[in-house]
Amino acid sequence: QKEVEQNSGPLSVPEGAIASLNCTYSDRVSQSFFWYRQYSGKSPELIMSIYSNGDKEDGRFTAQLNKASQYVSLLIRDSQPSDSATYLCAVTGNQFYFGTGTSLTVIP
Amino acid sequence: GAGVSQSPSNKVTEKGKDVELRCDPISGHTALYWYRQSLGQGLEFLIYFQGNSAPDKSGLPSDRFSAERTGGSVSTLTIQRTQQEDSAVYLCASSLLAGFSSGSEQFFGPGTRLTVL
Repeated sequence: QKEVEQNSGPLSVPEGAIASLNCTYSDRVSQSFFWYRQYSGKSPELIMSIYSNGDKEDGRFTAQLNKASQYVSLLIRDSQPSDSATYLCAVTGNQFYFGTGTSLTVIP
Repeated sequence: GAGVSQSPSNKVTEKGKDVELRCDPISGHTALYWYRQSLGQGLEFLIYFQGNSAPDKSGLPSDRFSAERTGGSVSTLTIQRTQQEDSAVYLCASSLLAGFSSGSEQFFGPGTRLTVL
């Protein structure tokens, strides 16, 4: 079992819709959770950090953490074509673990 | 500096040659990571430096790969006797802290694209 699991997609949503990206992790002692965005040919860029259960909002982005169920999600409201990218979930445990990413395409 | 920098941005080499890739982390960041990313693939962890502790080399794919971090700052990843399967983007990241706490977010450099002919 991988430390961090993501649906590879591709996930397609129309412009203006809500995109929902999900991630599950296996290490119960994990305490820090991150979402990165990676455009094609570019390096990953940190967009959200979350450390406690519940929701954390930053502009159009909302990260949701549920430690009991061991999942973390990212919601993107009012999706824009510029949001089209691969989204990587990352979790700290004994190491810093990255998921393989979910490819998101926002259709104009 | 403002962010993590890496050099060179592109490197083309011939099979069997050695290459050195450089990473300058964000000033004051104690942790430094190297990853490899092949086309269309996820991040492959290579090695991790934390302060003056012994590095975590558990991700290095073979003994042709080595890395060092001088003075707790700049790091060099060396690949000896390069093979075609070493072709990938090599990414460096740094974080203020390591472990579980706030401040362990990693910030990535732009990467070095290595092509082995």
